[in-house]
Amino acid sequence: AQSVTQLDSQVPVFEEAPVELRCNYSSSVSVYLFWYVQYPNQGLQLLLKYLSGSTLVKGINGFEAEFNKSQTSFHLRKPSVHISDTAEYFCAVSVTGNQGGKLIFGQGTELSVKP
Amino acid sequence: GAGVSQSPSNKVTEKGKDVELRCDPISGHTALYWYRQSLGQGLEFLIYFQGNSAPDKSGLPSDRFSAERTGGSVSTLTIQRTQQEDSAVYLCASSLGQSSSYEQYFGPGTRLTVT
Repeated sequence: AQSVTQLDSQVPVFEEAPVELRCNYSSSVSVYLFWYVQYPNQGLQLLLKYLSGSTLVKGINGFEAEFNKSQTSFHLRKPSVHISDTAEYFCAVSVTGNQGGKLIFGQGTELSVKP
Repeated sequence: GAGVSQSPSNKVTEKGKDVELRCDPISGHTALYWYRQSLGQGLEFLIYFQGNSAPDKSGLPSDRFSAERTGGSVSTLTIQRTQQEDSAVYLCASSLGQSSSYEQYFGPGTRLTVT
């Protein structure tokens, strides 16, 4: 079975400061890794994904994440946040292959950017 | 183009009643997923369709929950004899195919409140 742990439920940060949202996963088989963002009263939107290749993945809105296989981590970073980044962020995994891509999500991290 | 749409956006029902939630995926997307988002349980996978077949129903919480998909397009999630613990946001997502590398596009969700 797969599981995802997001280590911080809430992260308050000031505008223009850097931020890191932490994600660790557990799986006995190969997985793909994803970060999704959910703005208030909206559905989820894909920020970025790691399938293979370079372990540093760049996504939309200036976010990036680094896959670390030895530490089973996939932390999300942004060097300078904006008020508009206030949202809930979800880390997720899915088992590789062609048997369907159900996502296993972490509990979410609420990012609150203050002026 | 049009994204994933869900209806109704909000549904309030009395305990014991049946409800139907509808999902219209992106045209041409053969894979369709249902998830549930609740305060206590976070984001949980419910069921996955490939075409009209459901190879993975492992997330359905009880036999009160069922889903179908017709014409490889619209899907309906039915909850019979609703209970208060069914209160949640039900999210639908679609993707191009059964590979887990494909991005899932999420709808805005249906907020179900059982009174």
